[in-house]
Amino acid sequence: GDSVTQMEGPVTLSEEAFLTINCTYTATGYPSLFWYVQYPGEGLQLLLKATKADDKGSNKGFEATYRKETTSFHLEKGSVQVSDSAVYFCALSDNAGNMLTFGGGTRLMVKP
Amino acid sequence: GAGVSQSPSNKVTEKGKDVELRCDPISGHTALYWYRQSLGQGLEFLIYFQGNSAPDKSGLPSDRFSAERTGGSVSTLTIQRTQQEDSAVYLCASSLAGSRLGFPGELFFGEGSRLTVL
Repeated sequence: GDSVTQMEGPVTLSEEAFLTINCTYTATGYPSLFWYVQYPGEGLQLLLKATKADDKGSNKGFEATYRKETTSFHLEKGSVQVSDSAVYFCALSDNAGNMLTFGGGTRLMVKP
Repeated sequence: GAGVSQSPSNKVTEKGKDVELRCDPISGHTALYWYRQSLGQGLEFLIYFQGNSAPDKSGLPSDRFSAERTGGSVSTLTIQRTQQEDSAVYLCASSLAGSRLGFPGELFFGEGSRLTVL
């Protein structure tokens, strides 16, 4: 079945550091890929998405590129802020588009 | 409110009791999802509704778990004879698109119901 693997956290960075959170997936066909973010005390919310190979999703300074050849969708940000501290989840949709399969989540802590 | 609403936000129960968790999706959203988030784990898919029907119940962990949705709106997740391993945060999400667009599109999540089974 479909699965998503992302790097274990926590990831601790200083403000303005470069961020990469790795995500790889296993799926049949051509899934859509997503990053969701869960800020402390809040529900998950969509951060960005990509629906086909080589697409780049971007939002709030975060980017991720759908790499079919490496089955990856790594999340990057050039300069993190304290307000980016949250748990980040990589996810893919099934071919029928009925549900999302999530990775285990990566906690990011940004120190001033 | 405008978002997905879940209740109760916290529930502590004794082993063997039944619990009901409620989800009120965003008005007009046809698709509704239940996920479970255990401590230190990712999100585990439980069940998905398109309208009032549940085409995919494959994620329900046992026959003690059931869910229904009425009027294409509110959904209830029921756990019978709760066990300690049922302790988790139960998340509900809704979506406008469902399968009609070939992918679920953006899911809007509630803040979850934290269940603790003693």
